[in-house]
Amino acid sequence: QSVLTQPPSASGTPGQSVTISCSGSSSNIGINFVYWYQHLPGTAPKLLIYKNNQRPSGVPDRFSGSKSGTSASLAINGLRSEDEADYYCAAWDDSLNAVYVFGTGTKVTVL
Amino acid sequence: EVQLLESGGNLAQPGGSLRLSCAVSGFNFSNYVMTWVRQAPGKGLEWVSAISGPSDTTMYTDSVKGRFTISRDNSQDMLYLQMNSLRAEDTAVYYCAQGRGSLAYWGQGTVVTV
Repeated sequence: QSVLTQPPSASGTPGQSVTISCSGSSSNIGINFVYWYQHLPGTAPKLLIYKNNQRPSGVPDRFSGSKSGTSASLAINGLRSEDEADYYCAAWDDSLNAVYVFGTGTKVTVL
Repeated sequence: EVQLLESGGNLAQPGGSLRLSCAVSGFNFSNYVMTWVRQAPGKGLEWVSAISGPSDTTMYTDSVKGRFTISRDNSQDMLYLQMNSLRAEDTAVYYCAQGRGSLAYWGQGTVVTV
């Protein structure tokens, strides 16, 4: 059972914006960096955002991340059909033994 | 070009064992923490284990502690996951990934069915 909660689904039409939330706690998002991954079934997950709001080389600037307190968000602007995928937030959790936790995942559908 | 290639996934009996391997190329393997992540059918991503570059630190999710062992061979650029006392709930696609927080590169995964 994940300690990072995301909405199960989000959707938009091409060109619209979609925002995915990730709710955590003081032992994870509250004190550690947040990461975001894009995953298309049958393929390797892809790092989209690291250290809350940094984009790796090659990730379009349509993707942006933010963090406030114990929550984080991923925004996708100018939605494109190829953005249809599962999205996961992640962070280290230092509650008992340090473990890396993924969010529950959000399926983004481009209508 | 960075490449990670998992192997060793198979059908196993409950209580059985499997050893997963991850062959790495394209970066200085010994300098990086390496991680295993799995995805059970119909479920989300789950972090399994991580190991430091010199192998002096290993970390596990609670559900695999005492059953799985992560290791690496820096001379061969290889990462391993020894899986013992397998359970039905270990059925998943297992991915190896480079990194500790930023999992920047991933393999395509290997399927374990228990």
